[in-house]
Amino acid sequence: EDQVTQSPEALRLQEGESSSLNCSYTVSGLRGLFWYRQDPGKGPEFLFTLYSAGEEKEKERLKATLTKKESFLHITAPKPEDSATYLCAVQALGGAQKLVFGQGTRLTINP
Amino acid sequence: NAGVMQNPRHLVRRRGQEARLRCSPMKGHSHVYWYRQLPEEGLKFMVYLQKENIIDESGMPKERFSAEFPKEGPSILRIQQVVRGDSAAYFCASSRDRDTNTGELFFGEGSRLTVL
Repeated sequence: EDQVTQSPEALRLQEGESSSLNCSYTVSGLRGLFWYRQDPGKGPEFLFTLYSAGEEKEKERLKATLTKKESFLHITAPKPEDSATYLCAVQALGGAQKLVFGQGTRLTINP
Repeated sequence: NAGVMQNPRHLVRRRGQEARLRCSPMKGHSHVYWYRQLPEEGLKFMVYLQKENIIDESGMPKERFSAEFPKEGPSILRIQQVVRGDSAAYFCASSRDRDTNTGELFFGEGSRLTVL
């Protein structure tokens, strides 16, 4: 069964303090790994898609990387507006259209 | 360009009643997905539909739950005879044909069901 585990569950940082979020996955065959951001009371918002080990994507203060077993979301010099829950999901090969999500990392950036 | 619209945003039902959740996808999107988010749990896939067709319902409970996406009108997730364990946030997402494989789903803001 495809599985996604995210760590830590929650993370508090000071503004400007860089860190990384981890997403470990097991999947029969990886079609893609995805990162989403979710604000309280809102739906998830798409951030990145990664397809193969070694791939990296960047957007503002966020950079996502992928290996064969895990992905990292690096946050550089975060600001309070980066506070949110970050979700990782995988999509398996074989025609399945569904995403398997992790439980998320709740990130709080203190000013 | 309106995003994915879900209604109602909040719904309260007593045990045994029916809940109907509606989802209008983004303009031009013909693929709709329903996910459920239980308290303190991640999003779980329920069903994937295209117009008038259920493509994958592997995440749907076998009883009491049904979904449709008619030719005209919104997609509807229907829960009959609700129980307390159905209390959750139900999210709808949509995609264009070609985006299905990129994982770039556009989510609505969710419908939060509370069963008393």
